[in-house]
Amino acid sequence: GEDVEQSLFLSVREGDSSVINCTYTDSSSTYLYWYKQEPGAGLQLLTYIFSNMDMKQDQRLTVLLNKKDKHLSLRIADTQTGDSAIYFCAQGTGYALNFGKGTSLLVTP
Amino acid sequence: KAGVTQTPRYLIKTRGQQVTLSCSPISGHRSVSWYQQTPGQGLQFLFEYFSETQRNKGNFPGRFSGRQFSNSRSEMNVSTLELGDSALYLCASSVKVNEQYFGPGTRLTVT
Repeated sequence: GEDVEQSLFLSVREGDSSVINCTYTDSSSTYLYWYKQEPGAGLQLLTYIFSNMDMKQDQRLTVLLNKKDKHLSLRIADTQTGDSAIYFCAQGTGYALNFGKGTSLLVTP
Repeated sequence: KAGVTQTPRYLIKTRGQQVTLSCSPISGHRSVSWYQQTPGQGLQFLFEYFSETQRNKGNFPGRFSGRQFSNSRSEMNVSTLELGDSALYLCASSVKVNEQYFGPGTRLTVT
């Protein structure tokens, strides 16, 4: 299947910005997504971006899409300890999403 | 609105047995998708149902099957369980293709 790659781990200080990166191979995907998973919980849809967009901002979240490099990033402004979780990048055209392995974000006080 | 609910939350089975997991979607959501999450393979798509019909299927053996009822509730079944089937099974419901809402999952342990 198509690959979605993410770095495994990111540590930031509380109040700093976090940037989580993702690369994908399927250029035909209609949507790209960011999901958050907290321990013992399911996935929470954070945001998504349509493939013909370059950027989307939603409160503290900024998504940047570079279609030429097939690179997606999620920036979390003013990161809080409650943002500590695993973040998944995903791509898809229909209902079958292809996920990365997830980036574990640790926010330290 | 109530979220996606999955039952049971935890399950322990023995190799060779079969198991049935249940998913109740958000009210009004007619599409239900299933995913398997393991530490090694990550999240993998199993299948998607809409109006009682399977529309998409992932690359899993025939031991994995599912169905959807007229009230949109869905079940998935795994027969002849193997140790490698130990995973978190997640269900997601949606109205729009770009907004899938996940349940808390069923943690299956096969011994």
